Amino acid sequence: EPEVTQTPSHQVTQMGQEVILRCVPISNHLYFYWYRQILGQKVEFLVSFYNNEISEKSEIFDDQFSVERPDGSNFTLKIRSTKLEDSAMYFCASSEGYSDTQYFGPGTRLTVL
Amino acid sequence: GEDVEQSLFLSVREGDSSVINCTYTDSSSTYLYWYKQEPGAGLQLLTYIFSNMDMKQDQRLTVLLNKKDKHLSLRIADTQTGDSAIYFCAEKADSSYKLIFGSGTRLLVRP
Repeated sequence: EPEVTQTPSHQVTQMGQEVILRCVPISNHLYFYWYRQILGQKVEFLVSFYNNEISEKSEIFDDQFSVERPDGSNFTLKIRSTKLEDSAMYFCASSEGYSDTQYFGPGTRLTVL
Repeated sequence: GEDVEQSLFLSVREGDSSVINCTYTDSSSTYLYWYKQEPGAGLQLLTYIFSNMDMKQDQRLTVLLNKKDKHLSLRIADTQTGDSAIYFCAEKADSSYKLIFGSGTRLLVRP
């Protein structure tokens, strides 16, 4: 069964460093998403991406964040200058259509020291 | 604003039924989902229901939707120890791309 994959599974970085989290969505899906879950809190929407542009973003998704689909298979989330409060589990998801079910990857745990 | 609430913890004995409840505030919610998260794993879609439905059954899972009260429930029949996990309720409006999640209900199944 096709699935969303994410790498790395755990990333440790120093405050102020840039990180790139990578995702490979399900191959025939056209819509891509990033969510995050800070320890002990709810899963929160960050951004959705379709047709090579951001279709919706939350207040959390400020200028420190960017997304990109650099080739036909990868979807990345970049955090330019990490802060302690960026420590969280980051989930990538994809869906075939706008109204279709979103399938999630296993997550990348980001730890900012 | 939009909000989704769930009780935090449920403990049941193996073989019993489990009922996990969820309430939401957005009356424009079109799609309602249940995801399962096992330790160290991602969010696995369990089932979903459209807002024009009252009930959906899928093997051991039954979803009930009371749209008037904005209440959603997930019933797991014959609960097994492998069902121990965190269960997330999520809703999506047709006008938005985002899922809004509850805080998750931790289900513990005792042998």
